[in-house]
Order: sequence, then C-alpha cells, then structure tokens
Amino acid sequence: EPEVTQTPSHQVTQMGQEVILRCVPISNHLYFYWYRQILGQKVEFLVSFYNNEISEKSEIFDDQFSVERPDGSNFTLKIRSTKLEDSAMYFCASSNRGALYNEQFFGPGTRLTVL
Amino acid sequence: TQLLEQSPQFLSIQEGENLTVYCNSSSVFSSLQWYRQEPGEGPVLLVTVVTGGEVKKLKRLTFQFGDARKDSSLHITAAQPGDTGLYLCAGAANYGQNFVFGPGTRLSVLP
Repeated sequence: EPEVTQTPSHQVTQMGQEVILRCVPISNHLYFYWYRQILGQKVEFLVSFYNNEISEKSEIFDDQFSVERPDGSNFTLKIRSTKLEDSAMYFCASSNRGALYNEQFFGPGTRLTVL
Repeated sequence: TQLLEQSPQFLSIQEGENLTVYCNSSSVFSSLQWYRQEPGEGPVLLVTVVTGGEVKKLKRLTFQFGDARKDSSLHITAAQPGDTGLYLCAGAANYGQNFVFGPGTRLSVLP
C-alpha cells in the first residue's frame, strides 16, 4: 500500500541552524501539506502546496519557513535559523484532491529537537 | 479563527464498554474529519462527514455530524484495547481551505 515517507525520523540541531525536513508524498498525489505538533499540543497546519506553489499558509509559516518540490518526488520544509520553540513533530501529508473531500495521508513525522 | 474543542480530554474505560467523544465549535464547517493518532505516528483518517445530520459507521465506530455542521460525535461500541489512542477531529470551513485540528481526546481501553 502506498504511503508517505519522511526523513529523518529524528533531527537534533543547535539553535540558529538551518534544517531541511524531507517528505516523499504518494506518487499520484497532487496536493501536499506540512503540519506540526508541539509535544502535548494539537496538530497545527503550516502550509499547503499545489501546482508548484503555496496555496495556503498559516500565521505560523513566516519567513523562517519555506517549502520546495525540488524534483518529481520530494517535498521539503526548510526552517532557517531554528529556535527552541521550533521543537516539534513535523508531519507531511498528501492527497490527490483538495483536502475538503479527500483523504490526506500523513507520514510518520520527523521529530525536530532544537537545543 | 475557527476553533475546535474536544471532550473529554482524557477517557479511561474497561474493555467492552461503550463511549462517546465530542467535537464542538462555534463555527460552521463544510467538512469534518476524525483521525486516530498513536504515539510517535502520524494521524490516520477514520472518516469524513460533509452533510449536516450525516451518520457514518465504521465497524464499531459511529460518527455523526451535527445538523448545523458545528459539532460532531464519535461513538465506540464494545471498546477494545486496540481502540486506545488519541482521537482528533479536524474541520475545514470551505472547499479548498485546510483543516483545523482539535486538541484531541486521549482514550485508554483497559483489558
């Protein structure tokens, strides 16, 4: 069964460093999403991406963040100058239609720890 | 800003018992989804409801979307230890908008 994969599973970085979180969405999906979940808190939407551009982003997704689909398979989230409060689980999701009527398949997440 | 509240926050029951968890908002949603999340994993979609009053069943799970599309419930019959997990509801206000998640109900079913 096709699934969304994410690498690395755990990333530890020093405050101020840049990190790139990688996702491989399901191959025939066209919509891609990043969410984050701070430990013990709710899942928060960061950004959605369709047709090689951002379709929607939340207030959290400021200039510190960027997304890219560098090739036909990967979807990346870059976090520049990481802060302690960026520590969280980051989930990638994909769907083959817009989120409203179709299932978003979530990856297993990357746990980011900023020291 | 649309907000979703879920209750109870925690629920611990014995195997075989029935339970209902709730998802409420003051906002109207065009679509509402329920997910289950296990520790260290991503959320897994259980159901999507889009019509006010809609009821969907998934084996022992029954999902209902409120008539006004502001609330939803999840009822589990004869709970099993495998039902243990964090149950999340997520709503989208309009087509093309992304989902806002509730804080979840953490369910523990004891054998």
